[in-house]
Amino acid sequence: AQSVTQPDIHITVSEGASLELRCNYSYGATPYLFWYVQSPGQGLQLLLKYFSGDTLVQGIKGFEAEFKRSQSSFNLRKPSVHWSDAAEYFCAVGAQAGTALIFGKGTTLSVSS
Amino acid sequence: EAGVAQSPRYKIIEKRQSVAFWCNPISGHATLYWYQQILGQGPKLLIQFQNNGVVDDSQLPKDRFSAERLKGVDSTLKIQPAKLEDSAVYLCASSLVTGGTGELFFGEGSRLTVL
Repeated sequence: AQSVTQPDIHITVSEGASLELRCNYSYGATPYLFWYVQSPGQGLQLLLKYFSGDTLVQGIKGFEAEFKRSQSSFNLRKPSVHWSDAAEYFCAVGAQAGTALIFGKGTTLSVSS
Repeated sequence: EAGVAQSPRYKIIEKRQSVAFWCNPISGHATLYWYQQILGQGPKLLIQFQNNGVVDDSQLPKDRFSAERLKGVDSTLKIQPAKLEDSAVYLCASSLVTGGTGELFFGEGSRLTVL
């Protein structure tokens, strides 16, 4: 069965510092992998996705993620965090297009000045 | 392009009452999902439709929850009777069946508080 683990419940980063949010997945084949962001009272917005090709993917708002098959990981990174990045971040895995996604429990990002 | 529309945005009810949520997916998206997001947790799939057929409802509490997508477009999720533990945000999402990259497009959600 597919599953997603986000080991960090809450992370605080200083504005301007770099960020890495961890995501580990369990899936037998090559998965479809996603990072979504959720601001308070809002729905989920896609940051980036991976389903094939280059293992380093670029997303919106300056985010990137790297798929590492050997580590079953898909960590999200940003070189310099802005105060507006404070939100809840969810990693998700899917089997193929048109199938439901399995989400992790999320990581709350706080940004300090 | 219009996004996924959901209503109502907020609903407060007493336990044992009923409630219904409506969702209109992105035009052309054959697949529609209802997720439940309890505070502090990630979204959990309740039911997936493809056109007007159910693909997966294994996690839907069928004794109290029901959902339909009669014409293969918009959908309604109903809870009757509601329990305290049903307090959550109900997210609707849609996607292409094939030719896409697996991305789900989410609405803003319907927040339910059961007192």
